[in-house]
Amino acid sequence: DQQVKQNSPSLSVQEGRISILNCDYTNSMFDYFLWYKKYPAEGPTFLISISSIKDKNEDGRFTVFLNKSAKHLSLHIVPSQPGDSAVYFCAASRQGAQKLVFGQGTRLTINP
Amino acid sequence: EPEVTQTPSHQVTQMGQEVILRCVPISNHLYFYWYRQILGQKVEFLVSFYNNEISEKSEIFDDQFSVERPDGSNFTLKIRSTKLEDSAMYFCASSEARTGDSPLHFGNGTRLTVT
Repeated sequence: DQQVKQNSPSLSVQEGRISILNCDYTNSMFDYFLWYKKYPAEGPTFLISISSIKDKNEDGRFTVFLNKSAKHLSLHIVPSQPGDSAVYFCAASRQGAQKLVFGQGTRLTINP
Repeated sequence: EPEVTQTPSHQVTQMGQEVILRCVPISNHLYFYWYRQILGQKVEFLVSFYNNEISEKSEIFDDQFSVERPDGSNFTLKIRSTKLEDSAMYFCASSEARTGDSPLHFGNGTRLTVT
């Protein structure tokens, strides 16, 4: 199931700089998108979401951008902090469905 | 902040045995889910549950699997006869409203090892 893809398995960013995580999807029926953060031995923690009627949603240091024509979303973290080091998953769902479809995850490392 | 709690954190069982994984969802949430992640693979949807019945299930959720909400607080996943390939991290989640209207909140998971 390759409906949601995160093509970068890892990303390394310097503390204080911007982290940009990317996600592509193939199913045009998806209308709700989420980003989760996961630390080892913990469950995914919800970060931020966006509905397909918007192209941007912001919450503190986290901003999600949605480009429906490109079927692409991105998560911007600025400024990046050491505690942001984790695996980040994007997920999507379509109206009427009860399931989230996850990407493979991107491991973000923030270097001091 | 309210959270989803799962027990046990790690379960080891022999092939063919039955296991029950337990979850306490967030108290005012109405929708409940099980997901799993096999080592090195994606997080996969298993089942969603609302109003005391399954609302959606994946192809993975075959007759070996069942879910139950035995009381007002617990939500369980039972695997009747475990196989080696059932070894995975199992995550319970809950949400206030249906998927697409509110985010899912996940527990810390139960690592199931089938030997």
